[in-house]
Amino acid sequence: QVQLVQSGAEVKKPGASVKVSCKASGYTFTSYDIIWVRQATGQGLEWMGWMNANSGNTGYAQKFQGRLTMTRSTSITTAYMELSGLRSEDTAVYYCARGLAAGVGFDPWGQGTLVSVSS
Amino acid sequence: SYELTQPPSVSVSPGQTASITCSGDKLGDKYACWYQQRPGQSPVLVIYQDTKRPSGIPERFSGSNSGNTATLTISGTQAMDEADYYCQAWDSSTGVFGTGTKVTVL
Repeated sequence: QVQLVQSGAEVKKPGASVKVSCKASGYTFTSYDIIWVRQATGQGLEWMGWMNANSGNTGYAQKFQGRLTMTRSTSITTAYMELSGLRSEDTAVYYCARGLAAGVGFDPWGQGTLVSVSS
Repeated sequence: SYELTQPPSVSVSPGQTASITCSGDKLGDKYACWYQQRPGQSPVLVIYQDTKRPSGIPERFSGSNSGNTATLTISGTQAMDEADYYCQAWDSSTGVFGTGTKVTVL
């Protein structure tokens, strides 16, 4: 079955970087986008950006420009999200999801990765 | 930046109909999707391209989108439908999520 499995929880200090992985299986990895969304505790879903898994082209939300990098390894069907310059406000659960065609939505989602930023 | 606004909460009795609205400028000119998120779980796509249900999503979930408002309707609401619901659309190659609605089945 189609699934995305993310790496485990991370604890980071302010100013550090975090890299979260998203391992895809059950479909042709390069035929779809991967998107990243985060959710702080008790808050809503926040769009971070998208990556075309074939070309590697990316599009980041303005808020994260300069701090966010999305990459992938097609050989191991894994996408990565790296966020630098971490601050306490970046504490959240980070989700990857498969991006279907425009308007068709995101399905499935990974299980989420908790990133905690604390001194 | 583009914004999608939802009511914070909706309450519904079991077996009744719940309607959740999502408002945005000329939203009807875009495709809307809806996601269900149960407590402690990842979001699940329940409606895409305004009205379509992915396989495995019950028929009681339906959607519409016109003008400035998209609507998710849950007919014959069940206790298992208690969750947060988020609308989503694309604007200038950026994904936008609604503010989220908590559906409580009383």
